[in-house]
Formats: sequence, structure tokens, C-alpha cells
Amino acid sequence: DAGVIQSPRHEVTEMGQEVTLRCKPISGHDYLFWYRQTMMRGLELLIYFNNNVPIDDSGMPEDRFSAKMPNASFSTLKIQPSEPRDSAVYFCASRFFRNTGELFFGEGSRLTVL
Amino acid sequence: QQPVQSPQAVILREGEDAVINCSSSKALYSVHWYRQKHGEAPVFLMILLKGGEQKGHEKISASFNEKKQQSSLYLTASQLSYSGTYFCGTHTLYNFNKFYFGSGTKLNVKP
Repeated sequence: DAGVIQSPRHEVTEMGQEVTLRCKPISGHDYLFWYRQTMMRGLELLIYFNNNVPIDDSGMPEDRFSAKMPNASFSTLKIQPSEPRDSAVYFCASRFFRNTGELFFGEGSRLTVL
Repeated sequence: QQPVQSPQAVILREGEDAVINCSSSKALYSVHWYRQKHGEAPVFLMILLKGGEQKGHEKISASFNEKKQQSSLYLTASQLSYSGTYFCGTHTLYNFNKFYFGSGTKLNVKP
């Protein structure tokens, strides 16, 4: 089975530009999570969805960040406008509610904002 | 609510043992352990759901002391493939999905 698929793997953009990161969770998983990883702050939970509905977005740093999940197989994380401090690796993860809590992570999207 | 891990980094020779600790100022309701190799995604190792529980995964095992609000990951007879960053994670009492990861312990196993 395919794992969690993220795109793009690498993104380099200039400050002020819009960035859209994409995620396809594992088929059948009903929870989807967006995490951000930096050296300074480690792995931070940004937002998570259950059955396509955003449940908790308290980790989203600012209004510049938004996330959507229009269907069970697709989610986006958008940053508009981007800033250099947004540079990080963004991970998407999914899980099935019946399992013991194991998160399956995608390979991550490395974002560099110049 | 982020758990605290120690040590921050460990350097081992193949065959040596290591212990990584994870503690929290708040009650731990479960502890998860993940390993992340450089440039890759974190990969699930194991979960401990009850205080006193111990689990093993090859030569990697873990314990969970609910009263002390801490968990330890034991790596015995380490192999080169064990190198990576190890994260513990836990969640709040009423939300199994609001999951907090520790800052990580970087393990480097040398030949």
C-alpha cells in the first residue's frame, strides 16, 4: 500500500509569495495531521482533521496559515504571504482511529523562504 | 506540555547500550516512541498505554512509569542502523489526538 504522499518535497520561494503544500493520506485513515519541524521548536502540531473536518487548529501560528481537507484523500496547507521564519520541514501524517495511535508520516516538504 | 527528553545527544560504538529518558511535568497518559533518520520521516516504534507497561522491539525496549511521569527507551547492543533521532510523544487527558513530541535525542552509532 502507498504511504502518506506529500508534495512538493522541496520548495524554495521568496518572501511574500504564496506557498501550497499538499498531502494524500493513507486510504481508509480518518485522521490527518499537519506538523512543522524546525531545529528550534522541534515537531509542532499545527492542525488536525477528523473525517475531513478541522478539529483543532490552535497550533497554526498565524492567520497567514490555512489548511483545508476537501475530501478524504487530499489536504492542503497554505501560507500566504510567506516569511523567512516559515522555513521548516512540514510533515503530514495520518492514522486510523481504531489503531493504537500510530501515526504514519509522509516524507515531508522542505520549505525555504528567502 | 511538550515532554522533556534527555540526553540531547548520544554517541555510541556498535554493541554499546543506551537509555533515553522522557519526562513530563504533567501526567502522561500514554507514551509513543518514534525514530527519525536524517532527511526522512519519523517512524513509529512503539506505544505504551499503561503505567508499568514494558515493551520490546528487536533490541529496543521501553518502560513507562506513570507515577514518575516518565518513560525510558532502552537500546541494547546497538547497531549502526539505530542511528537517528528518537522522539517521545504524549497526549492530553481528553484528546488522544493532540499529540506533543519531545525535543528529540540524537543517537549516533559508530563502527
